[in-house]
Amino acid sequence: NAGVTQTPKFQVLKTGQSMTLQCAQDMNHNSMYWYRQDPGMGLRLIYYSASEGTTDKGEVPNGYNVSRLNKREFSLRLESAAPSQTSVYFCASSEVGWGLETQYFGPGTRLLVL
Amino acid sequence: AQSVTQPDIHITVSEGASLELRCNYSYGATPYLFWYVQSPGQGLQLLLKYFSGDTLVQGIKGFEAEFKRSQSSFNLRKPSVHWSDAAEYFCAVGSDSNYQLIWGAGTKLIIKP
Repeated sequence: NAGVTQTPKFQVLKTGQSMTLQCAQDMNHNSMYWYRQDPGMGLRLIYYSASEGTTDKGEVPNGYNVSRLNKREFSLRLESAAPSQTSVYFCASSEVGWGLETQYFGPGTRLLVL
Repeated sequence: AQSVTQPDIHITVSEGASLELRCNYSYGATPYLFWYVQSPGQGLQLLLKYFSGDTLVQGIKGFEAEFKRSQSSFNLRKPSVHWSDAAEYFCAVGSDSNYQLIWGAGTKLIIKP
């Protein structure tokens, strides 16, 4: 039982390049989330998907797009990377989306934008 | 405004000593409170959560937390820390009417041998 998996683990991009961060969960969860973690700022929600077929903006959506490909997979795309997007990105899932559910986190993707 | 404050960025504790990590929140709705732990290079893992009822909740790894509504606090405690407890600890608050959790900035726990 792998839980939440993320690829890649590390990535270096040049400003203006694009990339997609992949996330998959095998717990049959309905809701999935993308966060970024920056020093001293905790976690900030980028986008979430309450259920298959729906996505909504979180606190910091600018510069990102998401796709809920199916119930298992939720990808995050940076169309034109900027140095301000240097961060650690975490994907999470929960059985349902309300703010009382335990979230299960992937190991993170460390992204450096030069 | 809704917010979670963890006043201590770093805390250093000797192995075997007791620990208390502070968390204060400001939240308009009935709060659901969480503590998560992040070991170095890892994702976050739930330690414990409070929804209602007994204000002292027990979690994994010997941690407990106490909800004090009058102080808007949800402090995390452990009677005796182990070197493996070295990690970053995050407090978060949610509700049953909102998808988003509000996260604190985290407290990094350093264990002295």
